Amino acid sequence: QKEVEQNSGPLSVPEGAIASLNCTYSDRVSQSFFWYRQYSGKSPELIMSIYSNGDKEDGRFTAQLNKASQYVSLLIRDSQPSDSATYLCAVTLTGGTSYGKLTFGQGTILTVHP
Amino acid sequence: DAGVIQSPRHEVTEMGQEVTLRCKPISGHNSLFWYRQTMMRGLELLIYFNNNVPIDDSGMPEDRFSAKMPNASFSTLKIQPSEPRDSAVYFCASRHGALPYEQYFGPGTRLTVT
Repeated sequence: QKEVEQNSGPLSVPEGAIASLNCTYSDRVSQSFFWYRQYSGKSPELIMSIYSNGDKEDGRFTAQLNKASQYVSLLIRDSQPSDSATYLCAVTLTGGTSYGKLTFGQGTILTVHP
Repeated sequence: DAGVIQSPRHEVTEMGQEVTLRCKPISGHNSLFWYRQTMMRGLELLIYFNNNVPIDDSGMPEDRFSAKMPNASFSTLKIQPSEPRDSAVYFCASRHGALPYEQYFGPGTRLTVT
């Protein structure tokens, strides 16, 4: 089992819709969770971080964390064509030499069509 | 504020040559990470440093790869000798040492080994 799993997609949504991106992780003691956006040919850009159960909102983005279910999601409201990118879920593992390391999922490709 | 700075942005070299990639982390950050990204393998952590000390180099592919961090504002990743399979985008990232451990990526170095 991979440590961090995402649906590879591609996920296609119409402009103005809600895009929902999902991520599961295997390490129960993971501390912090991140969503990065990566445009083609660019570096990953941090868009959300969350470490407490529940929802965290920032503009059109909402991150949701459920540690009991080992699940983290990202909702993008009012999706725009400029949101079209690969979205990477990342998790910090704890313990031993893994402390503070980020483990990334394979990414979900999102396409927002006009 | 300046972000993570990497140089060169592009590097084309011939097999067998030495390649040195450079990184300047964000001022005040005490952890630095080197990643490699390819289509096949995604984003892989190669090595990371805390307070200039290498903590985990388990991701370094083989002895041809080495990394140093002589001070808090500079790190290098060296490949000697380079091989075509080393062709990838190499990212440097940094973070400070407090929750939620948000990492910020540099623009990357696109390495092509012919």
